[in-house]
Amino acid sequence: AQKITQTQPGMFVQEKEAVTLDCTYDTSDPSYGLFWYKQPSSGEMIFLIYQGSYDQQNATEGRYSLNFQKARKSANLVISASQLGDSAMYFCAMRVTGGTSYGKLTFGQGTILTVHP
Amino acid sequence: DARVTQTPRDKVTEMGQEVTMRCQPILGHNTVFWYRQTMMQGLELLAYFRNRAPLDDSGMPKDRFSAEMPDATLATLKIQPSEPRDSAVYFCASGLVPGDEAFFGQGTRLTVV
Repeated sequence: AQKITQTQPGMFVQEKEAVTLDCTYDTSDPSYGLFWYKQPSSGEMIFLIYQGSYDQQNATEGRYSLNFQKARKSANLVISASQLGDSAMYFCAMRVTGGTSYGKLTFGQGTILTVHP
Repeated sequence: DARVTQTPRDKVTEMGQEVTMRCQPILGHNTVFWYRQTMMQGLELLAYFRNRAPLDDSGMPKDRFSAEMPDATLATLKIQPSEPRDSAVYFCASGLVPGDEAFFGQGTRLTVV
């Protein structure tokens, strides 16, 4: 079975500072993908970034980067130069591409990020 | 701009009534998911389809919920009869496997009174 753990229920950061949101995962499947989503107060789920298990380099998308440490089974999201609009719930998710759970997208419990001016 | 489309966006219904939520996945995506989100339970996977075949609906109360994909452009989630505890936001998502795409619709906010 796949499991995603986000241990930080809430995080605070000062505007313009960087922040790291933690995510650890558990799977026995060697082929998987890791996703991060942002859910602002409006409720929509916004895709931020993706990392494949075989990708050699950490994924980056603008101010978002994924600190992928395969041996430690962690996929932390780093937001650089935080903005007030980054205040939201952030979800980490995993999708395996093998076995009976092929394609299934499993989510963590989420981390609420608050950016202070 | 490809997107997952869900209808309706909001639904208020009386207990005991049937509710049908619809989802149009992104063209070409081969997996479709239904999630329910509440404050207490977070995001729960209700059902997911791969190439229109249902693969896992273990998170769905079988006595009242049903999920189908009659064709590649439509997924439905039905609740009959609805109960107040079904009040939640229901999300549909579609993705491409293998690949790096998995996008959500805007959600349906269901209120059962």
